[in-house]
Formats: sequence, C-alpha cells, structure tokens
Amino acid sequence: GDSVTQTEGQVALSEEDFLTIHCNYSASGYPALFWYVQYPGEGPQFLFRASRDKEKGSSRGFEATYDKGTTSFHLRKASVQESDSAVYYCALGITGNTGKLIFGLGTTLQVQP
Amino acid sequence: DMKVTQMPRYLIKRMGENVLLECGQDMSHETMYWYRQDPGLGLQLIYISYDVDSNSEGDIPKGYRVSRKKREHFSLILDSAKTNQTSVYFCASSPGRNYAEQFFGPGTRLTVL
Repeated sequence: GDSVTQTEGQVALSEEDFLTIHCNYSASGYPALFWYVQYPGEGPQFLFRASRDKEKGSSRGFEATYDKGTTSFHLRKASVQESDSAVYYCALGITGNTGKLIFGLGTTLQVQP
Repeated sequence: DMKVTQMPRYLIKRMGENVLLECGQDMSHETMYWYRQDPGLGLQLIYISYDVDSNSEGDIPKGYRVSRKKREHFSLILDSAKTNQTSVYFCASSPGRNYAEQFFGPGTRLTVL
C-alpha cells in the first residue's frame, strides 16, 4: 500500500545551519507530495506541494523537489532560524480523487540560537 | 479571514460518557476531515466528509461517528468514550481533493479518565 517514510525523528541544529529532512514514499502512479509544519499548540500548516516529477515546491525559504526516480521529496533550507523549530510532516496524496493524505510520522526540528 | 475553528479546545470526560467535538470553517470548503494525533503515531484519519451528509470512513473509524448537516460544520461524536480515545483531535477542511491543501484547526485535547 501507499506509505511515507521520514528518516529522521528528531533533528538538532544551530542557527544558520543547513537543513535536510528526508522523505521517501511508496505509491503507484503520480501522487501529489506535500510538506506541512506544526508549531507547538497549533494545527499543521501547509507549506507547499508538488505533483509531477522534477517539480520544485517552495515556501518561507524551504524547498523540496519531487523525484520519481528515487521516490523522494526531501525538505531543505539553506539557513535555519530558531523560529523554524517545529514538527515537519511529509504527506502523500492518494491517487483516485479520495482527498486522503498519508502523513509521515513527523520530524521534530530544534534550532538552537 | 480563512479559518477553521474547533470547540472545545480542552475536554475532560469519564469513560462511558458521550463526547461531541465541533468544527467550523468559513471558507465554504466541500471537504472536511477529522484526525487524531498521538505521540509516535502521527496524524491518523478518522473520517472524511465530501459534503453535507456525504461521509466516508478513514483509517481508524471504529468508536467514532460524524455528522455534517451544514457545509460549514462537521461534528465528531464519541458514544461511550474509552480511555484509549484520549488524544488530540484535529479538524481540517479543503477546497478540493487530491492536490488541494488542507487547512487545520487548532485542535481539541481530549482526556478520557
């Protein structure tokens, strides 16, 4: 069945470090891929999506490129800030027009000043 | 102002009591969702609603039911709550299906004693 795997459960960085959070998926066809961010005490917020091979999504300095060859959608940011501390979720839109998303387990990012 | 609201934000109930969680959105979105979020399990889909009186089970519907009588309101009902239903519940809405972003509410923290 369709699935999403986020390799890192937790990531600890210092301000201005480069961020990579790995996301790999398993699905048939061309699923849409998403990144969401959740700050403490809030619901998840949509960051961006991509829906075809080699498409890049980006928002707030974060970016990810849909790679069908490696079935990946890794999140990257060149220089993180303390305010980026949050939980990041990769998600896969199931094909078939169901409106359902499969979320990864999330990656907690902690950025030290 | 595009918003998803949830009431109440915090709720404590005893095992066997009935629970009603309410969700509203002001964006006229057709599709609405109920998720629960537990440590280590991420976001799990309970129910999805495609419009008024058009509801579909998600991945973990057992022990829950839903009601959607107006497009802007979506309720989650727990008949005779159980301790393992202690969780944070999120409602979300979306203007479409597969490629559309989901807008999440702030969550309801439910404790069943």
